[in-house]
Amino acid sequence: GAVVSQHPSWVICKSGTSVKIECRSLDFQATTMFWYRQFPKQSLMLMATSNEGSKATYEQGVEKDKFLINHASLTLSTLTVTSAHPEDSSFYICSASGQASTDTQYFGPGTRLTVL
Amino acid sequence: GENVEQHPSTLSVQEGDSAVIKCTYSDSASNYFPWYKQELGKGPQLIIDIRSNVGEKKDQRIAVTLNKTAKHFSLHITETQPEDSAVYFCAAAAEGDDKIIFGKGTRLHILP
Repeated sequence: GAVVSQHPSWVICKSGTSVKIECRSLDFQATTMFWYRQFPKQSLMLMATSNEGSKATYEQGVEKDKFLINHASLTLSTLTVTSAHPEDSSFYICSASGQASTDTQYFGPGTRLTVL
Repeated sequence: GENVEQHPSTLSVQEGDSAVIKCTYSDSASNYFPWYKQELGKGPQLIIDIRSNVGEKKDQRIAVTLNKTAKHFSLHITETQPEDSAVYFCAAAAEGDDKIIFGKGTRLHILP
């Protein structure tokens, strides 16, 4: 149990375009979903927290107009990187909680975004 | 806010030997301590977690210990195998806080 999927697993896009990443909890209802960004050989950096039906809470320094988060249902959250630039290239990982307890997070496999 | 320190940043262990990774935290309100294993190009996988009402938890070759007084917790892997090679992250969270704070990670190499 507690499986989280992400789609796509990798994406390459041109500078200026927008990219949408999906995160799904496959076998449980996720009360909260989280989006992280990870640079090579570094720890996970929390970008935002979202609850189903509510606006996402962004961490300090994360542009909410650039990284649009939608949490439309208890099993789906999306992250849209708008007007992507090469500096947005990174590994984006989502996680979901709500299976065992409100604090246990289960992570997706990640999405590698490369902006040319 | 909470701050989690993790040591060492890199650890090389002979196959079959034990590996120990240590973390300290700063917020006495933290009461949930998960450990994640991340393989190259993949998302973190929860391998074990402990709550502040217990001092030790074991799952086969993996064990975690917690010292609330000293605010430190450790991951112990016994009889290490090549597939244990990965980056391990410790983390801490306070009750009622949905965010967890991660350490910087330990890159574990299992030597043949």
